[in-house]
Amino acid sequence: DTAVSQTPKYLVTQMGNDKSIKCEQNLGHDTMYWYKQDSKKFLKIMFSYNNKELIINETVPNRFSPKSPDKAHLNLHINSLELGDSAVYFCASSQDTGGNTEAFFGQGTRLTVV
Amino acid sequence: LAKTTQPISMDSYEGQEVNITCSHNNIATNDYITWYQQFPSQGPRFIIQGYKTKVTNEVASLFIPADRKSSTLSLPRVSLSDTAVYYCLVGLDNYGQNFVFGPGTRLSVLP
Repeated sequence: DTAVSQTPKYLVTQMGNDKSIKCEQNLGHDTMYWYKQDSKKFLKIMFSYNNKELIINETVPNRFSPKSPDKAHLNLHINSLELGDSAVYFCASSQDTGGNTEAFFGQGTRLTVV
Repeated sequence: LAKTTQPISMDSYEGQEVNITCSHNNIATNDYITWYQQFPSQGPRFIIQGYKTKVTNEVASLFIPADRKSSTLSLPRVSLSDTAVYYCLVGLDNYGQNFVFGPGTRLSVLP
């Protein structure tokens, strides 16, 4: 039973399109995250979110928006896709945001914008 | 956020012990030190976490000196399957976010 699952695993789309990536966790965690890993393999946090607070990395364009229908889901919506958005996107969750907690990651979604 | 510094890459041979050191000179009193492992095409995976002295689990050991300004991840008798990127994480960033990853150390285990 997968703890953090993302769909789709692969996504190929044209520039200018709007797309969503879904994430679900069955761990009962309170906090979820989205990360972007580019071709240089740098893993950058984009958002962290719980039912109280959304923390946005200031470098993330406002074309990216997280949507959380409930505590177990955090979907990533991307508007007007650009070539530079091509990357692997990882969803993660943790019990809380304390320094001694552990994050669990999904398998990633490879987004290719053509 | 305690800035961390790790070697960009390391090579080792099967069966050897590998030690990866992370420097975190401005670690805060409340900060824990956590290591993650990432295989190609997979998400990072928690390996070990510690606050001070030594922590050991079935995968690795973590050595933390008394001043806590560095830590060393020790992988005993590595195999080819230990080839991965290893990340050292310490503290929160300026936005209060946890789990902020640096470039990591790319470990290549050779036969």
